Amino acid sequence: QAQLQESGPGLMKPSETLSLTCAVSNYSISSGYYGGWIRQPPGKGLEWIGSIYHSGSTYCNPSLKSRVTISVDTSKNQFSLKLNSVTAADTAVYYCARQKDGSGYYFDYWGQGILVTVSS
Amino acid sequence: SYELIQPPSVSVSPGQTASITCSGDKLGDRFASWYQQKPGQSPVLVIYQDRKRPSGIPERFSGSNSGNTATLTISGTQALDEADYYCQAWDSSTVIFGGGTKLTVL
Repeated sequence: QAQLQESGPGLMKPSETLSLTCAVSNYSISSGYYGGWIRQPPGKGLEWIGSIYHSGSTYCNPSLKSRVTISVDTSKNQFSLKLNSVTAADTAVYYCARQKDGSGYYFDYWGQGILVTVSS
Repeated sequence: SYELIQPPSVSVSPGQTASITCSGDKLGDRFASWYQQKPGQSPVLVIYQDRKRPSGIPERFSGSNSGNTATLTISGTQALDEADYYCQAWDSSTVIFGGGTKLTVL
């Protein structure tokens, strides 16, 4: 079954740029799925950040769009997230997930998540 | 912007049926999905396209979607079903999650 694994820094300072990578295994990122990023602040609900198709087309949460860049590297079977100008409000567990194209755009496989803390 | 509204909490006795609702404008015109999340774990897809169950999800989980409301139903609820549940839909090229419902089995 599909496996996804997030990697990146666990601790950041305000104003820095968060960079996360999602390594995908047991399926090809070019096989008709989106790669999505979702985050969850401590004790709160899920917030979609954005999604990318293997072609490079992206969809982003309008509330984060100005700070978000999502990219894909099909040769490495991975996709990445950059979130600039982070603040304490960006402290959250960040998940990557495989997202079905069309018919509901649901997330059928999720990574284990990575806690990112923004603190001075 | 489109919103999905869930009750913050639902309680159910073991063996009984739990129903968790998700409300949104004309939600029945689009597909709804449901995720289960236990403490310290990643979300797990339990229902997609309104009523389909992924492989490995018990038959006691079912879903429906009509009008403005999608419903996740858990029949014969077990203690291990205690978790947070989130609904999700797609609108105008945007993924929307509901605020989540904490299901307590007591």
